[in-house]
Amino acid sequence: ETGVTQTPRHLVMGMTNKKSLKCEQHLGHNAMYWYKQSAKKPLELMFVYSLEERVENNSVPSRFSPECPNSSHLFLHLHTLQPEDSALYLCASSPRRADTQYFGPGTRLTVL
Amino acid sequence: DAKTTQPPSMDCAEGRAANLPCNHSTISGNEYVYWYRQIHSQGPQYIIHGLKNNETNEMASLIITEDRKSSTLILPHATLRDTAVYYCIVRVRDDKIIFGKGTRLHILP
Repeated sequence: ETGVTQTPRHLVMGMTNKKSLKCEQHLGHNAMYWYKQSAKKPLELMFVYSLEERVENNSVPSRFSPECPNSSHLFLHLHTLQPEDSALYLCASSPRRADTQYFGPGTRLTVL
Repeated sequence: DAKTTQPPSMDCAEGRAANLPCNHSTISGNEYVYWYRQIHSQGPQYIIHGLKNNETNEMASLIITEDRKSSTLILPHATLRDTAVYYCIVRVRDDKIIFGKGTRLHILP
């Protein structure tokens, strides 16, 4: 599946760094999502955007800051992360918020 | 609360049909049954979904019991590339997807 792409695929950062994860979908979808998958834990929904408006924020710490400049792009800005934030971060999109979601390959983040 | 119960792991011989069960005894009338799978270190991949009727697509078949309290995902001719964690999810159309622990399917050569 190449409809949803994520960059970078791997990222190592220190606790004082600022970095951004990028997600792009080429499917013409109107809803986009960020998920976190920690080792041996189920996927956790972080943020939901519908028509470029944030419609859901599941108690995510402010060190994670999402941005959706248009319906095709979604960013996750990271700053002052903790080692426990190391995880696979997955982006997904769907035609509308209610529809089937299609996932990108994820960014494997390691915080040192 | 994933609302579903799946066996933690299953084995299936290559070339045989893989039948993955899912119990969802508290499913309500407007909740759909969705199946996703996740191959190691990749994003989840949508497989199929259904409401009441059995469904089939190029990847799999979904059999839902008449009382809708359980379902089975069928991969008709399993290959080594089908080794993955399979997630059964119930949700109403406008609700979030909640992933449980899924079933880890091992396809044996």
